[in-house]
Amino acid sequence: KAGVTQTPRYLIKTRGQQVTLSCSPISGHRSVSWYQQTPGQGLQFLFEYFSETQRNKGNFPGRFSGRQFSNSRSEMNVSTLELGDSALYLCASSWTSDEQFFGPGTRLTVL
Amino acid sequence: GENVEQHPSTLSVQEGDSAVIKCTYSDSASNYFPWYKQELGKRPQLIIDIRSNVGEKKDQRIAVTLNKTAKHFSLHITETQPEDSAVYFCAANTGTASKLTFGTGTRLQVTL
Repeated sequence: KAGVTQTPRYLIKTRGQQVTLSCSPISGHRSVSWYQQTPGQGLQFLFEYFSETQRNKGNFPGRFSGRQFSNSRSEMNVSTLELGDSALYLCASSWTSDEQFFGPGTRLTVL
Repeated sequence: GENVEQHPSTLSVQEGDSAVIKCTYSDSASNYFPWYKQELGKRPQLIIDIRSNVGEKKDQRIAVTLNKTAKHFSLHITETQPEDSAVYFCAANTGTASKLTFGTGTRLQVTL
């Protein structure tokens, strides 16, 4: 099976802009979780989608949102970008909601 | 919410020696504890996991132990090799939820 894929791999934006990141899970996986990874804060949970419904949410502001489509692909959106949003955004897919397999991530740089 | 502490933050061992990384968690409802290995510039890779109904699990040179009473779990790597050099993260889920809370990571360096 193909692994988790994420697009784009790299992104440069300026403050105030918005960005949309995409994640395609492993075939058959219905759960997609999103994480933010930074040197200072480590890996932090953003939210999880299962069967097109947000099932869990982390402690991030409302500027961070997501959605999941009927084919389990997921997108996350960050509006009004801030310098502190620069990070590696990882998505992880799961069949059982326990074992999570990560994609390669999208490296977002906000200037 | 769940809090996961991980120690040490860096660990240097000689090739062939063993390495041990320890984590503690706060939420007694947590029942799933995975370990991830992340090499520089790469995605976190699930290397082993353990559920709360098991005390120990082994996969070749890697083993994980869980002490539910003390709320701590550990990763043991035996006969370390240079390719084991990476950052290792422990994590715990929040009860039945799939949200993972990660430790701060341990940078393991295996020297020749």
